[in-house]
Amino acid sequence: DAGVTQSPTHLIKTRGQQVTLRCSPKSGHDTVSWYQQALGQGPQFIFQYYEEEERQRGNFPDRFSGHQFPNYSSELNVNALLLGDSALYLCASSLRGVNTGELFFGEGSRLTVL
Amino acid sequence: AQSVTQLDSQVPVFEEAPVELRCNYSSSVSVYLFWYVQYPNQGLQLLLKYLSGSTLVKGINGFEAEFNKSQTSFHLRKPSVHISDTAEYFCAVSDHWGYQKVTFGTGTKLQVIP
Repeated sequence: DAGVTQSPTHLIKTRGQQVTLRCSPKSGHDTVSWYQQALGQGPQFIFQYYEEEERQRGNFPDRFSGHQFPNYSSELNVNALLLGDSALYLCASSLRGVNTGELFFGEGSRLTVL
Repeated sequence: AQSVTQLDSQVPVFEEAPVELRCNYSSSVSVYLFWYVQYPNQGLQLLLKYLSGSTLVKGINGFEAEFNKSQTSFHLRKPSVHISDTAEYFCAVSDHWGYQKVTFGTGTKLQVIP
């Protein structure tokens, strides 16, 4: 049973560039949430996708956008990168309507902006 | 709005000694509470969760936590720690059942000293 997979694991970009991160949810899950974890901080909620729509959004600017595909996989896009966007980006999947409250996390994509 | 406060950023403890990691939360509605663990260079893994019922919750690896509504706390405990417990621990809260938007604390680094 495949867990949550994310790609790439590491990447380096320069200020002003754009980046796309990818996530495949755990088998059977239909909801994907994205979190940003800066060094020494807890994960911060970016947004959540279900049925290919953004359902909830945290306190992040419009430079952060996403997409969910019919197979439930998801992408996180960040435009006009800033130095402060350097962080570990975590994808978490869950099954909507199953009231366990548990999120299953991937190992993350570590983004460095120079 | 919901928030989580983890009072200790680092907790050193000798091997086989007991440990308590503190967590307080704030929410205007009923909450669901979680503890996640993050080992170096990995994603987060659920340790335990409180959804309803008994206020004493047991999780994996010998950890347990007690939900105290009057003190809005959800402290994590283990009677005897091992070197392998060295990791970062995050307390988290959700008050949107079915949406699973989870808010995390800033984390507590547990360092087990041999």
